[in-house]
Amino acid sequence: EAGVVQSPRYKIIEKKQPVAFWCNPISGHNTLYWYLQNLGQGPELLIRYENEEAVDDSQLPKDRFSAERLKGVDSTLKIQPAELGDSAVYLCASSLSDPDTQYFGPGTRLTVL
Amino acid sequence: AQSVTQPDIHITVSEGASLELRCNYSYGATPYLFWYVQSPGQGLQLLLKYFSGDTLVQGIKGFEAEFKRSQSSFNLRKPSVHWSDAAEYFCAVGERSSYKLIFGSGTRLLVRP
Repeated sequence: EAGVVQSPRYKIIEKKQPVAFWCNPISGHNTLYWYLQNLGQGPELLIRYENEEAVDDSQLPKDRFSAERLKGVDSTLKIQPAELGDSAVYLCASSLSDPDTQYFGPGTRLTVL
Repeated sequence: AQSVTQPDIHITVSEGASLELRCNYSYGATPYLFWYVQSPGQGLQLLLKYFSGDTLVQGIKGFEAEFKRSQSSFNLRKPSVHWSDAAEYFCAVGERSSYKLIFGSGTRLLVRP
């Protein structure tokens, strides 16, 4: 069974540019999460989806961050415009339902110059 | 507010020696508890989890953890460490109401040959 797929794995952009990350969860997993992981820290939840509905986006900085999961399967996280402080690893995870084990993708490492 | 503390930033052990990684949590009720491992450039892999029942939990790769309610702890143990265990280890608390995972800041394990 394929795991959580994320792309790109690495992204380098200049500040003020837009960037998007893509995630394809494990087949059949209804719940999808986006996490932010700063260097030397544990992941922090940005947004959680149940199917296509964002049920917890309280930690998402909505002035520059947006996310969508239009058909309840794959998801896109966007930053516009990116700032230097957005340099981090963005992790996607999925689970069958809540509460349950979350399975993580390899992450996208973003560097903002 | 819920929180997870991993008091050891780094731990170095010799190959073949035993290992214990500490995790303390702050949560008002019985939480869900997890240990994840992250190798460089990789996503998080679940080692083990505690939802209810037996407080001694067995996981993959020979790891185990014990939930101690009186100490608000969920320490991870392994009787004999292998060089391939060198990685970063994250303890996490899952909120039973919102299913949100709160991670500690991680412990980096170094293994001496």
